[in-house]
Amino acid sequence: KQEVTQIPAALSVPEGENLVLNCSFTDSAIYNLQWFRQDPGKGLTSLLLIQSSQREQTSGRLNASLDKSSGRSTLYIAASQPGDSATYLCAVPYAGGTSYGKLTFGQGTILTVHP
Amino acid sequence: EAQVTQNPRYLITVTGKKLTVTCSQNMNHEYMSWYRQDPGLGLRQIYYSMNVEVTDKGDVPEGYKVSRKEKRNFPLILESPSPNQTSLYFCASSRTGFGYTFGSGTRLTVV
Repeated sequence: KQEVTQIPAALSVPEGENLVLNCSFTDSAIYNLQWFRQDPGKGLTSLLLIQSSQREQTSGRLNASLDKSSGRSTLYIAASQPGDSATYLCAVPYAGGTSYGKLTFGQGTILTVHP
Repeated sequence: EAQVTQNPRYLITVTGKKLTVTCSQNMNHEYMSWYRQDPGLGLRQIYYSMNVEVTDKGDVPEGYKVSRKEKRNFPLILESPSPNQTSLYFCASSRTGFGYTFGSGTRLTVV
């Protein structure tokens, strides 16, 4: 059974800092890994999707890396802003090697960026 | 605009009164899923569908039903809701089954 862990559970930083969020998974037989952002009481917004054949994916100030062999992904946020405050979730598809569309989520990292 | 639309956004109901939460996507996606999100438990999959008339159970299917009669719609049915089904529910869809678009969520309270 795939298990996804995110560290830290919560992070509070001053505006302008560069920061790293971590995601680890137990079964490396994944097709991809997806990072989401969730604002309080709201839906999930997809940030980045890294295919298993890729090592990095970038979008603006966000950079996500994937190391399948070690079962790890990191989300790097450059020059953080108060508007980045949210819960960040990583998710991987079902680890059975079939595309049944089941995502396993980590518990999330609650990020607070204060002015 | 490409999106997944859930209705209603908020719902308060009483124990045992059947309800349906609707989900519709306009992206012609094959895959659709339902999740519930609870404090301390995170997001857990309830049911998923790979195509019309093809559905299967996720991690927490008890007390829920789904149907996929049309590609764009995937309603979640609670035949006899109980207080332990109070939660935040999300519908999601994907073209390939790998990258997902989520709806805005339905906050359900069962009293």
